[in-house]
Amino acid sequence: GAVVSQHPSRVICKSGTSVKIECRSLDFQATTMFWYRQFPKQSLMLMATSNEGSKATYEQGVEKDKFLINHASLTLSTLTVTSAHPEDSSFYICSARSLLTPSGGFYNEQFFGPGTRLTVL
Amino acid sequence: AQSVTQLDSQVPVFEEAPVELRCNYSSSVSVYLFWYVQYPNQGLQLLLKYLSGSTLVKGINGFEAEFNKSQTSFHLRKPSVHISDTAEYFCAVSDLTGYGGSQGNLIFGKGTKLSVKP
Repeated sequence: GAVVSQHPSRVICKSGTSVKIECRSLDFQATTMFWYRQFPKQSLMLMATSNEGSKATYEQGVEKDKFLINHASLTLSTLTVTSAHPEDSSFYICSARSLLTPSGGFYNEQFFGPGTRLTVL
Repeated sequence: AQSVTQLDSQVPVFEEAPVELRCNYSSSVSVYLFWYVQYPNQGLQLLLKYLSGSTLVKGINGFEAEFNKSQTSFHLRKPSVHISDTAEYFCAVSDLTGYGGSQGNLIFGKGTKLSVKP
């Protein structure tokens, strides 16, 4: 259980185009989803946190107009990189968390997707 | 606010040797502690976590970690490594400031690259 998928796994696009990345929780309802960015040989940096049905909360320094996040359902969140440029090339990883277990307790764990490698030419 | 320091960016070790990956954290409140492994071009997989209780935590793939509150450390150990353990390892911390007292956001260390040589 607790599987998170991302699509696509790899994308190459031209500068100025927009790219959408999907993050799905396959076997649980994710009340919260997180988007991270990882540059080569570096750690994961949290970009934003999204709760189902509400606006995403962006970390300081992350442009919300450039990185559009939508969390329209309990199993799907999307990250759209608008007008992508070469400096946006990175590895984007999502994670998902469910607040409630079947017995009503909390899941205190984020489950990570496999990541999406974005290359902007 | 919390922070995580992984003291070694790279750890080379020979196969079947023991290994310890060091992690120190700072926080003014109680925390949860995690170790994740990342294989090339893949997402993160949870190795083990400390939430409460016994300070010695056993995880997958033969790894274990010990929570030391006085030293604010959570070092990861394995008594005998395999070639397949070659990967990047991340230590992470979160507090309890999430919704309803659940886990807050994860703060990651910079990672330690473990290279196991034959």
